[in-house]
Amino acid sequence: DVKVTQSSRYLVKRTGEKVFLECVQDMDHENMFWYRQDPGLGLRLIYFSYDVKMKEKGDIPEGYSVSREKKERFSLILESASTNQTSMYLCASSLREEGGGEQYFGPGTRLTVT
Amino acid sequence: SQQGEEDPQALSIQEGENATMNCSYKTSINNLQWYRQNSGRGLVHLILIRSNEREKHSGRLRVTLDTSKKSSSLLITASRAADTASYFCARESNYQLIWGAGTKLIIKP
Repeated sequence: DVKVTQSSRYLVKRTGEKVFLECVQDMDHENMFWYRQDPGLGLRLIYFSYDVKMKEKGDIPEGYSVSREKKERFSLILESASTNQTSMYLCASSLREEGGGEQYFGPGTRLTVT
Repeated sequence: SQQGEEDPQALSIQEGENATMNCSYKTSINNLQWYRQNSGRGLVHLILIRSNEREKHSGRLRVTLDTSKKSSSLLITASRAADTASYFCARESNYQLIWGAGTKLIIKP
């Protein structure tokens, strides 16, 4: 059974703080993704990674960076948190198969920036 | 960018009835996927249908795909209280998923 874990379920940070969100998957998946989810907007892709040390910008990368030093771990970094980054953050992983495949999601981190 | 649109945005039905949700998209697809999200289990994959498939079943779920109309539908038969959730379609493109805003389904006892 695929398991994707995220470091925190709830997080409260102050404006200007540096925030680290960690994601770990245990199924040797090549692809990993970070999304944010806001009411009425569905999921929006922030960054994704096809392999170790590799990253690609998604639709809304501004204000975020990522790190993938090991295959199983994908970190999302908010360099200087702002109130408009208050959101639910979801991490996902998938196999790199032709035509794409299903994504497995972590439980999410609800981040509040005050 | 969101290129999938679910319809309706919200749906409330009696337990035992069937629920149908629709998804439209604008560009070509490799596959289209349906996911469910509730507070208990988070976001979970339901069905993947490839562009060369027209219909797919999984238990009480039936998904159809019409590539000429760029639309898909998810049918849940004999609904149960546990089906209460938000349902999302996601179009696959270059290993990424492009998501709609979802349909919120409420099953009334």
